[in-house]
Amino acid sequence: GENVEQHPSTLSVQEGDSAVIKCTYSDSASNYFPWYKQELGKRPQLIIDIRSNVGEKKDQRIAVTLNKTAKHFSLHITETQPEDSAVYFCAASSYNQGGKLIFGQGTELSVKP
Amino acid sequence: EADIYQTPRYLVIGTGKKITLECSQTMGHDKMYWYQQDPGMELHLIHYSYGVNSTEKGDLSSESTVSRIRTEHFPLTLESARPSHTSQYLCASSDPGKGGTEAFFGQGTRLTVV
Repeated sequence: GENVEQHPSTLSVQEGDSAVIKCTYSDSASNYFPWYKQELGKRPQLIIDIRSNVGEKKDQRIAVTLNKTAKHFSLHITETQPEDSAVYFCAASSYNQGGKLIFGQGTELSVKP
Repeated sequence: EADIYQTPRYLVIGTGKKITLECSQTMGHDKMYWYQQDPGMELHLIHYSYGVNSTEKGDLSSESTVSRIRTEHFPLTLESARPSHTSQYLCASSDPGKGGTEAFFGQGTRLTVV
């Protein structure tokens, strides 16, 4: 089955700096890669996703890149703000496995004012 | 408003009791999931359903069981709760769509077994 590895487990940046979180996956048939943000005490919510036919996707300060050959994808947050502080999860899904979402271990991002 | 609902939000129960965690969604999604999450940590898939009468176990072994008799309802049952079952349980649902689509999560049930 799919295995998703996420790094780093914790990340601390100064407000205004950029943050990068990286994930690798094992199943070459995976074709959907979402990123979720979970604030303390709240449910995970989708912030951006990318499909395997696209190499990069941007949404304002957030971008995701995908390297299918290397089987890794990354989340980039620019101009970080204190409200970006949360736990971020990457995930991978394969049509061959019925679209089950398998999550990475999570990254706790702290943005210091 | 279309959403996914979990009850109860918090549950404290004694060892050996049978419990059922409820999950209902009004979004018409075929796929539903149960994840187990310890505070601030990884989301482990414990059960998955493609649709009515279709369930399978996830990657993390769990002593819980699930049923899917109706599209909108996906309850999780523990026959005999133990302290090791203490955790947060998150239910989610998504459209069938080829290759995966956004999963929407419920608020979660925080279970404590004493």
